[in-house]
This record gives sequence, C-alpha cells and structure tokens, in this order.
Amino acid sequence: NAGVTQTPKFQVLKTGQSMTLQCAQDMNHEYMSWYRQDPGMGLRLIHYSVGAGITDQGEVPNGYNVSRSTTEDFPLRLLSAAPSQTSVYFCASSYGWQGAGNTEAFFGQGTRLTVV
Amino acid sequence: GNSVTQMEGPVTLSEEAFLTINCTYTATGYPSLFWYVQYPGEGLQLLLKATKADDKGSNKGFEATYRKETTSFHLEKGSVQVSDSAVYFCALLGGGADGLTFGKGTHLIIQP
Repeated sequence: NAGVTQTPKFQVLKTGQSMTLQCAQDMNHEYMSWYRQDPGMGLRLIHYSVGAGITDQGEVPNGYNVSRSTTEDFPLRLLSAAPSQTSVYFCASSYGWQGAGNTEAFFGQGTRLTVV
Repeated sequence: GNSVTQMEGPVTLSEEAFLTINCTYTATGYPSLFWYVQYPGEGLQLLLKATKADDKGSNKGFEATYRKETTSFHLEKGSVQVSDSAVYFCALLGGGADGLTFGKGTHLIIQP
C-alpha cells in the first residue's frame, strides 16, 4: 500500500519558471489537499479538493493552481515561481472531513522547493 | 476563524523525563482535535485524536484529553525516549471542508 506519493522530493527553480508538483494516493480518498510548511509558520493550506472535478482555495492560494481530474491525482502547479514560494510542500488525503468517517489525514513525504 | 496555539520550543528534555506540550484552540462548534508528529525528513503522521469533549486520545505512551471548558488539548507522556525527538503539531478539524488548521509546531529534543 503506497499511501500518498509525492514527486519530486527536491527541486530548484529559477524565478519565473513553472513546474508541477505531483501527488497521487491509492486509498480511494475523496478529500485531498496541499499545504506548505515554513519555519515558524506551521502548515498552511494552499488548495483542497473534496472530490474529482471540485477544488477550492485555502489560506494561501496565490501563485498556485490545482485541478482534480481523477480521484487519485491532485497536482499543484506553480505558473511563475517566486522566491517567496521557497518552502516544503505536503500533499494530504483523507476519507472525508469533519464528521465523515475516518478523518485521519495521510501525508506524503514532502517536496522541498527552492526558488532562486 | 479557527486557530491553534502551541508552545514552539525547541523543548529539550532528558530521557525518561515527563513531557507536556500545551495546545489551545479557537473554533466555532465542536471541532475534532489531533496531534501529528513529524520525524526528520518525513511527512506528518497521526499520533492521536479526540473527536468530542472529554475524550482521551492515546498512542505510543502519549495522551491528550479534549477539554472544551479550557479549549485545550495538551500532549503528555510520562517518560520520553530519544526516539521521541521530532516536531509535534496540534491541529483541529472544524465544520467546514477547508481541512486541518495546524499550530506552528513544537520541536522536541530528547537527550540521552
């Protein structure tokens, strides 16, 4: 059981470049989300999805796009990378959210992104 | 909106010491509360959870009790080990679909 798989693990971008962070889960979870982790800030929600075809913004969505064409995949796109997007990015999935069955969130191992 | 406040640390203890990491929250309604742990170079793992007032979550010797009257969910362990060194996050799941709200994390260092 692979759980939540994120690729790549590390990435260095130049300012203005674009890239896609991949996230896939094999647990048939409806709910997926992207967080960024910065020192002294904890984890902050970027975007989330409650099912295929449905996405919404979290606390810090600017500069990021998402789509959810399948239940399994939830890629995060940076269209024009900026140094402020240097961070560690985590993808998470869960069966549901508040009150919906097992609310445990499963996290990927993270992508460490540096924008120079 | 929802918020979680926890001591940031780093917290440095000797092996076999008693651990308390404080966590308080602000939320409307009746959130579920969680402690997640992050070991170096890894993602977050659920440590324990409580879904209603007075529930006690426990796992691997760690415990936390959901106290609605004080809006707290403090993490405790009676005797810590070097292997407990990690970053611990308190989090809540509120009534909306916008996911977990995390505290800033507490870096715990256990010295032999």
